[in-house]
Amino acid sequence: RKEVEQDPGPFNVPEGATVAFNCTYSNSASQSFFWYRQDCRKEPKLLMSVYSSGNEDGRFTAQLNRASQYISLLIRDSKLSDSATYLCVVGGGSSASKIIFGSGTRLSIRP
Amino acid sequence: DVKVTQSSRYLVKRTGEKVFLECVQDMDHENMFWYRQDPGLGLRLIYFSYDVKMKEKGDIPEGYSVSREKKERFSLILESASTNQTSMYLCASSWSDRSTDTQYFGPGTRLTVL
Repeated sequence: RKEVEQDPGPFNVPEGATVAFNCTYSNSASQSFFWYRQDCRKEPKLLMSVYSSGNEDGRFTAQLNRASQYISLLIRDSKLSDSATYLCVVGGGSSASKIIFGSGTRLSIRP
Repeated sequence: DVKVTQSSRYLVKRTGEKVFLECVQDMDHENMFWYRQDPGLGLRLIYFSYDVKMKEKGDIPEGYSVSREKKERFSLILESASTNQTSMYLCASSWSDRSTDTQYFGPGTRLTVL
């Protein structure tokens, strides 16, 4: 089993739709959780950190479920510019060297 | 705004050649990282440096070495390139070595080894 697993997609949804991705992690001692966004042929950039209480940033909501060991990302009212690959990132311990990147979920928004 | 730059966007080398990939960050970050990204495998950590002249092996260090002589610069060296090292190489930096810190990535170097 991979340490961090994501559905690779692609998810192909119409503009304005709501889309959700999940990501599961295997290390129950994981301490930090993030979603990064990676545009085609570009570098990953932090989208949002994921906190135990869940957090929201505009149209984006991230949730953490420690009991079931998954994190989720919900995008409401999707825009064409949301088309990208979304990387789930989990910190296995306190050190930055223990961060594990998922292989990403591709999202394509169609007009 | 944090800026991480990498010396080349695209590089083509032959098997057996020595390859240097350079990364520079301008935010006085303590930590720098080298990853490779391959389809279906995500980003995998090759090496990590938490201070000048300090380094730590990541998950896949075999066939690679690194150098950090100055705080802002972190080099990845392929002593003798092989075809299985064809990949996208991404450098990143972060303020501290805590896993909660954001990592800032360079634009990547797509290396092809023939």
